[in-house]
Amino acid sequence: SQQGEEDPQALSIQEGENATMNCSYKTSINNLQWYRQNSGRGLVHLILIRSNEREKHSGRLRVTLDTSKKSSSLLITASRAADTASYFCATDAGVGGRLAFGKGNQVVVIP
Amino acid sequence: GAGVSQSPRYKVAKRGQDVALRCDPISGHVSLFWYQQALGQGPEFLTYFQNEAQLDKSGLPSDRFFAERPEGSVSTLKIQRTQQEDSAVYLCASRPPGDNEQFFGPGTRLTVL
Repeated sequence: SQQGEEDPQALSIQEGENATMNCSYKTSINNLQWYRQNSGRGLVHLILIRSNEREKHSGRLRVTLDTSKKSSSLLITASRAADTASYFCATDAGVGGRLAFGKGNQVVVIP
Repeated sequence: GAGVSQSPRYKVAKRGQDVALRCDPISGHVSLFWYQQALGQGPEFLTYFQNEAQLDKSGLPSDRFFAERPEGSVSTLKIQRTQQEDSAVYLCASRPPGDNEQFFGPGTRLTVL
């Protein structure tokens, strides 16, 4: 069953703008991960945030985690056409490392 | 270095046929996962191996699905008597020891007619 639920599910922005997407989950987690998927490269890991962390940065990515609300957000700053992809959050509840993915956000960056 | 590879990339099967999907994980990755991704959805967990041991197969949708990893490296996901609802992309991922990041293969797109 799907653990995460991203919101919004489809986003179209101009190049250079920021893109924000949210994810909610239902159970306790060890960590939450964001992945990107496009037809050219499959699923690629972007960033991981542990349950005891509140914010993390990696290049143009910023992820936040609020365990009290069981939610996370991913911000992509200064978007590029190459950022066009589907973005998934995935939670790791510590059950052997299996990931529970959300339904995904489709992001289109218009040049 | 080489990433996770899967073969075939595309498979078309007639309903009732058996199929076998192969995954070559990254060398040295102890953990291996299989996921099923339906069109427009996120991947859903199927099964997990640590070396050759299948530690979790709770996500396999029916007894027609079977996975193995006999020597702790290459894994095969077998689907017997395929049904139309089995049509999906099957993703394999491996994970190095002591890490949480999973490295995904390109997937096998299975279409059952």
